[in-house]
Amino acid sequence: QVQLVQSGAEVKKPGASVRVSCKASGDSFTSYEVNWVRQVTGQGLEWMGWMNPNSGKSASTQKFQGRVTMTSNASINTAYMDLSSLRSDDTAVYYCTRGLIIRGIIVNSYFWGQGTLVTVSS
Amino acid sequence: QSVLTQPPSASGTPGQRVTISCSGSSSNIGSNYVYWYQQVPGTAPKLLMYRNDQRPSGVPDRFSGSKSGTSASLAISGLRSEDEGDYYCAAWDGSVRVFGGGTKLTVL
Repeated sequence: QVQLVQSGAEVKKPGASVRVSCKASGDSFTSYEVNWVRQVTGQGLEWMGWMNPNSGKSASTQKFQGRVTMTSNASINTAYMDLSSLRSDDTAVYYCTRGLIIRGIIVNSYFWGQGTLVTVSS
Repeated sequence: QSVLTQPPSASGTPGQRVTISCSGSSSNIGSNYVYWYQQVPGTAPKLLMYRNDQRPSGVPDRFSGSKSGTSASLAISGLRSEDEGDYYCAAWDGSVRVFGGGTKLTVL
């Protein structure tokens, strides 16, 4: 069974950067794109972007362009999401997600990590 | 303001049938598949439905999905207390994944 295990909670000051890691086990890491989704406490889900561990390609929503970097290290089955120039409104739980092939169809965001709380406070 | 529109809340009594709607536009629901996620408070979302009406393994057949034009809906029949939580619809809008604002389901 595929598992996505994320790094622990972080507390950062405004203007700093944060790195969230997402370690996959149970399946071929490079076969699926990794998506990143965040959720401000009490609010809904917000998609941030995706990265392809095989090609290294990534894309993010316009809101995060220039501030988010999504990478991976296939040798340790781990994806990373770096967010810079943190603001108080970046305080949220960040999730990594991965797909699964079902009857030849790639189903996006089938597996989810447990979430990483990032708190931005002075 | 979410791109996909969902009612903020829904409720029902055990055994009832409840429907949650998700309204979008031609650029998202109108031209792409709809996904549904269930989130129990304090836990990560769980995939409930993909490609409009396909249930992943392990999801009870009490859950069903449908799509028509630029709207989709999730129906839960035989409502149970463990169905309480937040439900989100999602779809691709061009190269961007968009979510609904979520619907909080209460089992009375």
